[in-house]
Amino acid sequence: QSVLTQPPSASGTPGQRVTISCSGSSSNIGNNYVNWYQQVPGTAPKLLIYRNNQRPSGVPDRFSGSKSGTSASLAISGVRSEDEADYYCATWDDSLSRQGVFGGGTKLTVL
Amino acid sequence: EVQLVESGGGLVKPGGSLRLSCAASGFTFTSYNMEWVRQAPGKGLEWVSSISSSSSYIYYADSVKGRFTISRDNAKNSLYLQMNGLGAEDTALYYCAREGWDLPDYWGQGTLVTVSS
Repeated sequence: QSVLTQPPSASGTPGQRVTISCSGSSSNIGNNYVNWYQQVPGTAPKLLIYRNNQRPSGVPDRFSGSKSGTSASLAISGVRSEDEADYYCATWDDSLSRQGVFGGGTKLTVL
Repeated sequence: EVQLVESGGGLVKPGGSLRLSCAASGFTFTSYNMEWVRQAPGKGLEWVSSISSSSSYIYYADSVKGRFTISRDNAKNSLYLQMNGLGAEDTALYYCAREGWDLPDYWGQGTLVTVSS
C-alpha cells in the first residue's frame, strides 16, 4: 500500500490529453515538492517533472505537472505511442522520520 | 555525462548479507546527496535510503531500518548499501540514484538481488 495514491491504469488515443493523479497528505505532498518519473518496462526510470512543474532539458513540453494542496497531477497533451510506459509520482514524507515515498505507479496505454 | 554503475547483486540465502556498490562519474560526486531505490519484480518503485553529500544526514525506509546501512566514500566517488538479515521481501532490482532537485534525477541501470534458499 503506497503512501501516495495513483490510479493503476490510464489510457488515451494518439493526440488526446491524458492526466494522471497523485494523492497524498499534508505530511508529504502538502509540504514538499513532487517529481514525476517515466519508466519504460525493462529500463531505468527517467525524470520527467521536478519541483511540481519543472521540466528537465530534453523532456518535451507535452509533459506538464501541477500541484494543489495534497494532490499533484501529470498531464500529457497530444499523447503519442512512445509515451506508453509506467508513470510514478514521488516526494518526501515528514510524518515521523523523513522518508522518500513513491506512488504505486500508473500504466499508460496508448490505444 | 552522468554515469551510475551498480554492482554487488546476486543470489543470497534468507538471513544472509550482501553489499551493493555504485560507481559514480560525470559529475561532482561530493556536491550531491545520493539514494538507493528498489523495485521488486513486476512491482513499483520503493525508496530505500538516502545519504547527504557529507554523510551528515542519513534516512531509511521503515522496511529496511536496522538491517541496511548506507554509506559513501567521496574519495572514490562511490556509494554503498550494506544489507543484513535479508528476506524474500528484499528481492528486487536495486537502483543507485543521484539526488538532484530534492529527489532522484539520474538513475543507474540497477543490480538484481535475489533472496532464496
